[in-house]
Amino acid sequence: DQQVKQNSPSLSVQEGRISILNCDYTNSMFDYFLWYKKYPAEGPTFLISISSIKDKNEDGRFTVFLNKSAKHLSLHIVPSQPGDSAVYFCAASIAYSGAGSYQLTFGKGTKLSVIP
Amino acid sequence: ETGVTQTPRHLVMGMTNKKSLKCEQHLGHNAMYWYKQSAKKPLELMFVYNFKEQTENNSVPSRFSPECPNSSHLFLHLHTLQPEDSALYLCASSPAGTANYEQYFGPGTRLTVT
Repeated sequence: DQQVKQNSPSLSVQEGRISILNCDYTNSMFDYFLWYKKYPAEGPTFLISISSIKDKNEDGRFTVFLNKSAKHLSLHIVPSQPGDSAVYFCAASIAYSGAGSYQLTFGKGTKLSVIP
Repeated sequence: ETGVTQTPRHLVMGMTNKKSLKCEQHLGHNAMYWYKQSAKKPLELMFVYNFKEQTENNSVPSRFSPECPNSSHLFLHLHTLQPEDSALYLCASSPAGTANYEQYFGPGTRLTVT
């Protein structure tokens, strides 16, 4: 059973417009959420994150919104640029008390194509 | 070298072969991870090491055997694999013992089992 779902496998957006990528989760224990970007032949790279105590986090052109009651988060990219064309993964984690690592649960990804 | 490196980048092996994947991180992290990414599936966590100790094994078949000789190196030993094991294998690292959820990934090894 997938705990993190990205229901849109692909998205095409015109350059300069807004890109909105969506992610839903089912596990109410998740309390930290991340977005990763992946180019072909490269590993995923961290983009932006949000803690469950916030509903919005902004970093330049990228903003992540979290709606805990709906168990939904979204990534907004404004304005979209051709270099943003990549696969975007949503990931979620549960707080881990004590010294250790944090397990991430990933969605399947959404392929964003920004058309010049 | 910076970040997380993985070798080889591509590997083709028969079902009776034995091979190893190597991961090295140059970030001073103490936690390392192996993930598997199959076509049209989410990244699946396979193993987690904290300070060289294995802390997670997500029901991975014994034909996959991890090894972490020190905090900078991680290996995945492969033997008698099946064609369905063909996938992209990603290594990641993160600082352990801190409230830092971010993981840094290598470029991956594309494995094909024939």
